Amino acid sequence: DGGITQSPKYLFRKEGQNVTLSCEQNLNHDAMYWYRQDPGQGLRLIYYSQIVNDFQKGDIAEGYSVSREKKESFPLTVTSAQKNPTAFYLCASRSGTGGSYGYTFGSGTRLTVV
Amino acid sequence: ILNVEQSPQSLHVQEGDSTNFTCSFPSSNFYALHWYRWETAKSPEALFVMTLNGDEKKKGRISATLNTKEGYSYLYIKGSQPEDSATYLCAFYDGNNRKLIWGLGTSLAVNP
Repeated sequence: DGGITQSPKYLFRKEGQNVTLSCEQNLNHDAMYWYRQDPGQGLRLIYYSQIVNDFQKGDIAEGYSVSREKKESFPLTVTSAQKNPTAFYLCASRSGTGGSYGYTFGSGTRLTVV
Repeated sequence: ILNVEQSPQSLHVQEGDSTNFTCSFPSSNFYALHWYRWETAKSPEALFVMTLNGDEKKKGRISATLNTKEGYSYLYIKGSQPEDSATYLCAFYDGNNRKLIWGLGTSLAVNP
């Protein structure tokens, strides 16, 4: 079955460390997205990519980095510069970039800084 | 600042009850309105993408209406079942910035 796989499900990071969250899709979707969820807030866009080898900053990109070397993969690195990284991270993809295209989501990664 | 509001924040109903919730969004420069269902420990799942004023979409016992002139959408669930328990999210597509603006969701609990 086609879908999006995020790994790991849970991740613990020590302060000062960089960590990379994996997102892989086999839907042949061009566009991929990273969102962050915090209690009491709506989903916030971190980074997105509409095509291989290209990506754009979202609303809260500071302290994060991404790459899009393959169509199927869009890993997110949470760097030590991210001041408050503990959150739930969702990856999504879709086949087009206009407003009428729905998003397919992964099941998320919960990152905790210890 | 574009804002999407959903009400109520949470809802408890009995099995068999019908229910509805509201999503309010900016009424100018409308492109699309998305509805998603997010069950605990699962991925958010797309329910509807609505683009036309007056549009009504249906998926089983769930339906949605859209009023772009006044900036609201209703989601209806007929004869709620325990498996309908989830958070229902709506999102307004900001065409100028090409991104979704998300509401906080309505959390529905259906008691058997």
